[in-house]
Amino acid sequence: EAGVTQFPSHSVIEKGQTVTLRCDPISGHDNLYWYRRVMGKEIKFLLHFVKESKQDESGMPNNRFLAERTGGTYSTLKVQPAELEDSGVYFCASSQGGRRVGQPQHFGDGTRLSIL
Amino acid sequence: GENVEQHPSTLSVQEGDSAVIKCTYSDSASNYFPWYKQELGKRPQLIIDIRSNVGEKKDQRIAVTLNKTAKHFSLHITETQPEDSAVYFCAGYGNKLVFGAGTILRVKS
Repeated sequence: EAGVTQFPSHSVIEKGQTVTLRCDPISGHDNLYWYRRVMGKEIKFLLHFVKESKQDESGMPNNRFLAERTGGTYSTLKVQPAELEDSGVYFCASSQGGRRVGQPQHFGDGTRLSIL
Repeated sequence: GENVEQHPSTLSVQEGDSAVIKCTYSDSASNYFPWYKQELGKRPQLIIDIRSNVGEKKDQRIAVTLNKTAKHFSLHITETQPEDSAVYFCAGYGNKLVFGAGTILRVKS
């Protein structure tokens, strides 16, 4: 079974530019999550999709961040315009659907985003 | 909202010794507590998890304990090996996963 895949693995852009990150969850997983880890700090929740719907986007830093999951398969996270403080590693995770609270989440390798 | 505190931030042990990492959480509604291991440059890997209706769970050299009353849970690694060296994250799940700050574990051979 293929795991969660993320693209690109690294992205270096200048302040003010736009970047789009992509996540392909494990096939059949309804739940898709985005997280961010800033250097040396904890992994922080950004948002949660159930299929194509945003279940919880309380962790999104501001309106420069836009996440989509059209069709309920892969997801994109766009940062526009990028600021210096957006640098960090962006992780995607997925878990199965169902009524059980707290399904195990499987992470991708992350995208390391550097804003110059 | 939920807050998860993790200690220690770094831990060095001799190969073969045990390692213990402790976490506390604030939201009594949290009911699922996974532990992740992240090796340098790799993805966080789920190594063990526990639900609030269970006090202890073991998987070979790894065990996790949960005290709901005190709102703390711990990871125990016995007979540590150099390949156990990594960053370990605890997390609590109420309506979303909230992570601790991580523990850098170094196992010296």
